[in-house]
Amino acid sequence: DTAVSQTPKYLVTQMGNDKSIKCEQNLGHDTMYWYKQDSKKFLKIMFSYNNKELIINETVPNRFSPKSPDKAHLNLHINSLELGDSAVYFCASSARTRGRDTQYFGPGTRLTVL
Amino acid sequence: AQRVTQPEKLLSVFKGAPVELKCNYSYSGSPELFWYVQYSRQRLQLLLRHISRESIKGFTADLNKGETSFHLKKPFAQEEDSAMYYCALTGSARQLTFGSGTQLTVLP
Repeated sequence: DTAVSQTPKYLVTQMGNDKSIKCEQNLGHDTMYWYKQDSKKFLKIMFSYNNKELIINETVPNRFSPKSPDKAHLNLHINSLELGDSAVYFCASSARTRGRDTQYFGPGTRLTVL
Repeated sequence: AQRVTQPEKLLSVFKGAPVELKCNYSYSGSPELFWYVQYSRQRLQLLLRHISRESIKGFTADLNKGETSFHLKKPFAQEEDSAMYYCALTGSARQLTFGSGTQLTVLP
């Protein structure tokens, strides 16, 4: 009954490969997000998406693309992986209720690019 | 542009001592402010938000609009409070902008 789940938990791959990270939420939220946590523990938004709008952080390379098959899923696809992509990627979801908007996070996916 | 500043990267206190984690923000409108906590190798968890004015695990945070601050406080720190703490805000785009985090260590 996990609220926000991600797979895989760990991902080790070679430079140049293409990989995907899956995210699912069972909270009925209308908006999902991807965040990147770098080696210095700094967290930064990558994307936010609901069924109407995709907002992309301008610093995110176009090798990264979110794909949403339905409202409960927002997968992250990465092309041509680079060493600098190594990080922990967190998915989150939220819904605006009575003026409040609280994000709930997944467990994270630790990506290591060799 | 919105920005969150946590000036202390590391903070150590002894068990039972008061602790304050500082957070200042910059935002032109009316932001929603949060504190998230991340225990070692775990997911981010919401600790508290300014709208609720609640106390969670003994922590409180008061929004000071004049000083644009949202400092996190606890009168008596416990060893289990050791974790990374992030201050964050959301604006109109509903995206969280995080501070750089403060690693709190509570010493026995």
